[in-house]
Amino acid sequence: DAGVIQSPRHEVTEMGQEVTLRCKPISGHNSLFWYRQTMMRGLELLIYFNNNVPIDDSGMPEDRFSAKMPNASFSTLKIQPSEPRDSAVYFCASSLMVVSDTQYFGPGTRLTVL
Amino acid sequence: GIQVEQSPPDLILQEGANSTLRCNFSDSVNNLQWFHQNPWGQLINLFYIPSGTKQNGRLSATTVATERYSLLYISSSQTTDSGVYFCAVVRDNNDMRFGAGTRLTVKP
Repeated sequence: DAGVIQSPRHEVTEMGQEVTLRCKPISGHNSLFWYRQTMMRGLELLIYFNNNVPIDDSGMPEDRFSAKMPNASFSTLKIQPSEPRDSAVYFCASSLMVVSDTQYFGPGTRLTVL
Repeated sequence: GIQVEQSPPDLILQEGANSTLRCNFSDSVNNLQWFHQNPWGQLINLFYIPSGTKQNGRLSATTVATERYSLLYISSSQTTDSGVYFCAVVRDNNDMRFGAGTRLTVKP
């Protein structure tokens, strides 16, 4: 298996633009997680899905952020409109079950909002 | 919310040395995990260890849930062990909190 795939790897955009980050989990994994990492706040869990259903989105910073998982092999994290403080590395991870199982991380998307 | 503290914040070792990293948490948890982030940013899940002891090669981890701490042991360290080690805890409400990490540098 190719592991968790994220795209794009790098994204530079201007404030106010819509940004869409994509994730393909490992085939057969039932849970998918979105994390954000910044120097100021460290690692944060934004949202996670189990069997394509959002279970806990309490980590989503505000309404500008939304995440979807239309099927078992694809998820998106959207920021609309983007702001400079959204600049971070966004990681996607998947696991067989929920947070009690080993998570496998993608390489991350480095987002810069100018 | 729950507080997660890791120590030491930075650690420099000579190759071959052993080390112990600590994670303290302020309340009872359902889940604790250790992660390693290598110098290129890649995150790897090392252990899921809400209690007890686990070993994987040169790494082992012990969580004493009643005393609210976990330890990660690295034996015979190698340069490839360099990076940042994070612990993360999860409570009843599935809220996951990460510590600030321990930055390990292993010198050849």
